[in-house]
Amino acid sequence: GIQVEQSPPDLILQEGANSTLRCNFSDSVNNLQWFHQNPWGQLINLFYIPSGTKQNGRLSATTVATERYSLLYISSSQTTDSGVYFCAGLSGNTPLVFGKGTRLSVIA
Amino acid sequence: DAGVTQSPTHLIKTRGQHVTLRCSPISGHKSVSWYQQVLGQGPQFIFQYYEKEERGRGNFPDRFSARQFPNYSSELNVNALLLGDSALYLCASSPLVMNTGELFFGEGSRLTVL
Repeated sequence: GIQVEQSPPDLILQEGANSTLRCNFSDSVNNLQWFHQNPWGQLINLFYIPSGTKQNGRLSATTVATERYSLLYISSSQTTDSGVYFCAGLSGNTPLVFGKGTRLSVIA
Repeated sequence: DAGVTQSPTHLIKTRGQHVTLRCSPISGHKSVSWYQQVLGQGPQFIFQYYEKEERGRGNFPDRFSARQFPNYSSELNVNALLLGDSALYLCASSPLVMNTGELFFGEGSRLTVL
């Protein structure tokens, strides 16, 4: 199956700062999702983005499928953005494979 | 519309016992997948079912089994529990088989094995 690597593993931001999270994958993907895991463990869907760019409020994501990476941008961060961000991809008939996540802490 | 629902939300078992976790997918979704997430790691794929048939199995021992019912709900069973089975078990549903479409996750069942 594919390998998914996320960076950075940990990130601390001052409230109001911007950040970029990166996801590299080892093979071409036909599904790429970004999730935010809340403190209670639920995975909240942020983007379904096998390719291209999408925006939702202060969040946006870009996937460059030919270069096998995806970026998640968080602008004007808020304390409620804290948590773990996962990207996950699948290739062919493989199941969705998750990275190890980026743990984001936003400090007031 | 209701999202993916899982039960129970928390449970505590002792080594050697058996556990059954339940999942109801989003209405209209025919595919259910199970994932295990241990502390500090990303979720790991266990099973996928589509139209009541197993369509994929991850690298887990035979103590793990699952099934899907005619109403598309699903059960995950784990026999002879080990301490290492302590984890958050997540269920995901999607409208199609695993390699198409977006997956939506439930809140999870947090299992502690003592």
